[in-house]
Amino acid sequence: AQSVTQLGSHVSVSEGALVLLRCNYSSSVPPYLFWYVQYPNQGLQLLLKYTSAATLVKGINGFEAEFKKSETSFHLTKPSAHMSDAAEYFCAVSDGRRALTFGSGTRLQVQP
Amino acid sequence: DAGVIQSPRHEVTEMGQEVTLRCKPISGHDYLFWYRQTMMRGLELLIYFNNNVPIDDSGMPEDRFSAKMPNASFSTLKIQPSEPRDSAVYFCASSPEGAMNTEAFFGQGTRLTVV
Repeated sequence: AQSVTQLGSHVSVSEGALVLLRCNYSSSVPPYLFWYVQYPNQGLQLLLKYTSAATLVKGINGFEAEFKKSETSFHLTKPSAHMSDAAEYFCAVSDGRRALTFGSGTRLQVQP
Repeated sequence: DAGVIQSPRHEVTEMGQEVTLRCKPISGHDYLFWYRQTMMRGLELLIYFNNNVPIDDSGMPEDRFSAKMPNASFSTLKIQPSEPRDSAVYFCASSPEGAMNTEAFFGQGTRLTVV
């Protein structure tokens, strides 16, 4: 079965600093990988998804993720954090059933 | 499009009562998913439908939970009888037909509190 592991349940960065949220996947077949963001009291919103067309995927709000098969990773980055980036971020994998399996989430805190 | 619409947004009920959560997917979407989010277990898939047919209900906790999709524009998740451990945020999501990396669109969730 496919799964994802998110390292670090809480990450705190200063405004303007690099954001790095880690995600490792386990999959016996080429994975379909996603990053979602959840703002307080809101549903999940897609940030980006891996399409296999390119290993570096650009998403909304300046986020990007790089698919590294050798490391089974799909880490999320943003060069410069903004206060509005404070939220919970979920990595997810689809096993081909169309349903997603989510990681445990990483809460990003941005300090002024 | 208004997106996935869930109702109610908040529900407080007493243990033993029946609870019905409702979802209207995005028009034209063929897949509908029900997820549950708790602090302890994170986001869990409960059940999903394709063209109104349940495909996988292995995530439904027990017989107290049931889900239906009588037509393409409406789904319900029912808990009878409810228990305090059912307290969680329940999300509905929908997805169009397409490649396997087609994303799901989530509603804003229903926060259920069973006292």
